[in-house]
Amino acid sequence: DVKVTQSSRYLVKRTGEKVFLECVQDMDHENMFWYRQDPGLGLRLIYFSYDVKMKEKGDIPEGYSVSREKKERFSLILESASTNQTSMYLCASSLFGVQPQHFGDGTRLSIL
Amino acid sequence: DAKTTQPTSMDCAEGRAANLPCNHSTISGNEYVYWYRQIHSQGPQYIIHGLKNNETNEMASLIITEDRKSSTLILPHATLRDTAVYYCIVRVSLLEGGSNYKLTFGKGTLLTVNP
Repeated sequence: DVKVTQSSRYLVKRTGEKVFLECVQDMDHENMFWYRQDPGLGLRLIYFSYDVKMKEKGDIPEGYSVSREKKERFSLILESASTNQTSMYLCASSLFGVQPQHFGDGTRLSIL
Repeated sequence: DAKTTQPTSMDCAEGRAANLPCNHSTISGNEYVYWYRQIHSQGPQYIIHGLKNNETNEMASLIITEDRKSSTLILPHATLRDTAVYYCIVRVSLLEGGSNYKLTFGKGTLLTVNP
């Protein structure tokens, strides 16, 4: 079975902190993605990676960075957390081509 | 980008088939249709995808019209655990000429399965 694991289900941080969200997949997938989901806005793509050490900006990369040092792990970094980054963060992975993306259970992040 | 239109909500009786429609009239010839669902406070769960032929797996069936302008997801015997928001998505290529794509989730259909 496909397994995408996000390190935390719930996280509370303070404004200005550097925040790390971790995602691990065990399916040897080339592609990994970070989305955020907000009420009324749907899912929005932040960053994606199609290979180790490769990354591409999505639709809303401002205020975020990513790291992919190993194929199975994709980290999302909030350089200096702000209250408007309070959201549900979803990680996904997929093989190349038309194969579907598989999601983790999400991290609900609150920035106070 | 091809857009999709789905009803806001639907009800279904437990044990009956749930038929969820989706309109994607601007879909292009090489775009696939994907269905996901999301139960409250969980990540989206992949259900099924297809290009032009009907598809079936252990979870559901996908019926795509011949002109590909619409599709229907069928849950053959709905259970209470199938209550969720169902999303119909046409994938959008991320890089020109590339095979990587992003998923754009709309508002979806809230399916409520009643006992």
